[in-house]
Amino acid sequence: DAGVTQSPTHLIKTRGQQVTLRCSPKSGHDTVSWYQQALGQGPQFIFQYYEEEERQRGNFPDRFSGHQFPNYSSELNVNALLLGDSALYLCASSPRDKIQETQYFGPGTRLLVL
Amino acid sequence: QKEVEQDPGPLSVPEGAIVSLNCTYSNSAFQYFMWYRQYSRKGPELLMYTYSSGNKEDGRFTAQVDKSSKYISLFIRDSQPSDSATYLCAMSPYSGGYQKVTFGTGTKLQVIP
Repeated sequence: DAGVTQSPTHLIKTRGQQVTLRCSPKSGHDTVSWYQQALGQGPQFIFQYYEEEERQRGNFPDRFSGHQFPNYSSELNVNALLLGDSALYLCASSPRDKIQETQYFGPGTRLLVL
Repeated sequence: QKEVEQDPGPLSVPEGAIVSLNCTYSNSAFQYFMWYRQYSRKGPELLMYTYSSGNKEDGRFTAQVDKSSKYISLFIRDSQPSDSATYLCAMSPYSGGYQKVTFGTGTKLQVIP
């Protein structure tokens, strides 16, 4: 089992551009959550997907959107990139109702906005 | 005021010491309390979770929750250099099938051989 995988590992974009990050959950997990982790900070919850629908959302603007596919994989899209969007973007998966007990994180995608 | 407060450290201890890591929180709705470990350039890894108040032990790790004080702790006994990492506390309310997890800023721990 490969665990949670994310792609790409690193990405450099310029202000105003759009970016798509991808995540494949751990085998057997149907719920995917996305987090933003700025340098020296803890992960901040962006949103959570289950059954292809956004179920919970943190305090992030509409520029942040996502999608979940029938195979449970997920994408995070960020439009109109700002310098402040530079961060490590983490994907985490869990079975529904078990996020506190079995949330597994991927290695993250490091995004730099210039 | 942040919902979860955690001293960022860094905390430096000699090998074999007992380490105490702490978080405070303000949201009374939090019911689940978790501790994650994050090595440099890696994703967080779940160490322990507890529900409501009480203690939980797993090997060298003990988690404590005091809901009356809104205070949680993680103790590491016989600390090892391999324990050097950032430790993140995390919390969530019980809200049916979908739970938002709120993290602290993390405490950086260094265990010196």
